This record gives sequence, C-alpha cells and structure tokens, in this order.
Amino acid sequence: DIQMTQSPSSLSASVGDKVTLTCRASHSISNFLNWYQQKPGKAPTLLIYGASTLQSGVPPRFSGSGSGTDFTLTISSLQAEDFATFYCQQTYSNPWTFGQGTKVEI
Amino acid sequence: EVQLLESGGDLVQPGGSLRLSCAASEFTFSNSALAWVRQAPGKGLEWVSSVFPSGAKTFYTDSVRGRFTISRDNSKNTVFLQMNNLRPEDTAVYFCAKYGGLTRPHYLESWGQGTLVTVSS
Repeated sequence: DIQMTQSPSSLSASVGDKVTLTCRASHSISNFLNWYQQKPGKAPTLLIYGASTLQSGVPPRFSGSGSGTDFTLTISSLQAEDFATFYCQQTYSNPWTFGQGTKVEI
Repeated sequence: EVQLLESGGDLVQPGGSLRLSCAASEFTFSNSALAWVRQAPGKGLEWVSSVFPSGAKTFYTDSVRGRFTISRDNSKNTVFLQMNNLRPEDTAVYFCAKYGGLTRPHYLESWGQGTLVTVSS
C-alpha cells in the first residue's frame, strides 16, 4: 500500500496568514493526489484534484502543486472559515489511502 | 446539486451484520461511480470500497474484503454496503461519495453526511 504522510500534524495560524501544508507519498503517484477539507462534525469537501486543479466553487486562495512523491497545499491568505482539518489522498493505486490530516487552528 | 443520503447505521454486536444504503439524486446515477469512506471516532479518513456504473467492477480495502459487499441498484439510484462479521474496529461514520468522473485521476467530488456504525457488545 502507498503510505501518505502529512506535515505538520497541526499548526496555529492567524487570519491573513499564508499557510503551506505538505503531503509525501511513499511511492511515486504522478499527479494522482487530491486535497479535502473537513470541519468538525461535517463531511469532507473536495478542494483540489489531480494535484493542482481547483474544484469548482473553491476560492482561488487555495492552490495545489507537486508531482511524484511531494505535494503542497497552499492557502494564500487564511480566512476564518478555513480553520479545519485537511487531508491528502492518493488515487494512483488501490487501496486508495489518505494522509493522517493536518489540523489548522487559530 | 448532488444529493447523497446515507442510512442504516446502528449499534450492532461483534459478529453481526448491517446493510448501509446511500440514496442519490440530482445527477445521472447510472453513469457514475461511487465509494464508501469511513472515519473512526477522532481518527482520519479510510477508503473502504468502490463500485463502477454497471456494478460489475468493485474494489475493497484489504481489511473488509470477504466481509463487506458493495452493490448498487441503478433503478433506485441507490448504492449499498452489506457488512457481515462486524468487528469493533469497524466502528466509524460511513460516508457515501461520488466520483468526479470515470477516468483517472479519480477523486471524490461530492459526499453524503454520513451514518454511524457502532460495533460493541
């Protein structure tokens, strides 16, 4: 199975900050990498797919980059509604696997 | 807007069975692939199973293969997860999710609100 490792596990930031989250795959996954946001008690929502394609309706302050084994999710200017847990996911091979999540806190 | 509504979650004893349902609307169900993803209390996300449009192509994570069966009824726009021989480690919220398309790279573009399965004596 492909292991996905996110860093950091949590971070504290302020509104307006630029935030960068990292996801590393144990094997090359090309660009088969997705990012999701999950708020407490809610279902995840898709932010980025194919490593860098912004899902329709997602604000452009979110961006994704990377290929192979190293990927990043960047929030250019953190907003109050962005405080949540973020997960990366690889769909390169079965079983699909998620990272353990990065919790972004105030 | 895509709608996915899960149901069937309950408290069940170890070794028991449960059948989850996910009723879909506002998209062409028969042309879509769907997945079940679970989240144990306080933990991260775990993909469980996927089914492609005809129902003939299915995938499972190793920990549930042989115990869980995913299926779909395209006439009722519903996907199911039959869970047998349940274990305490299957305790989780189970989410139903719709693929963004049928070609790779795959992603889950819409999610239901989840249904809670608790396996305990």
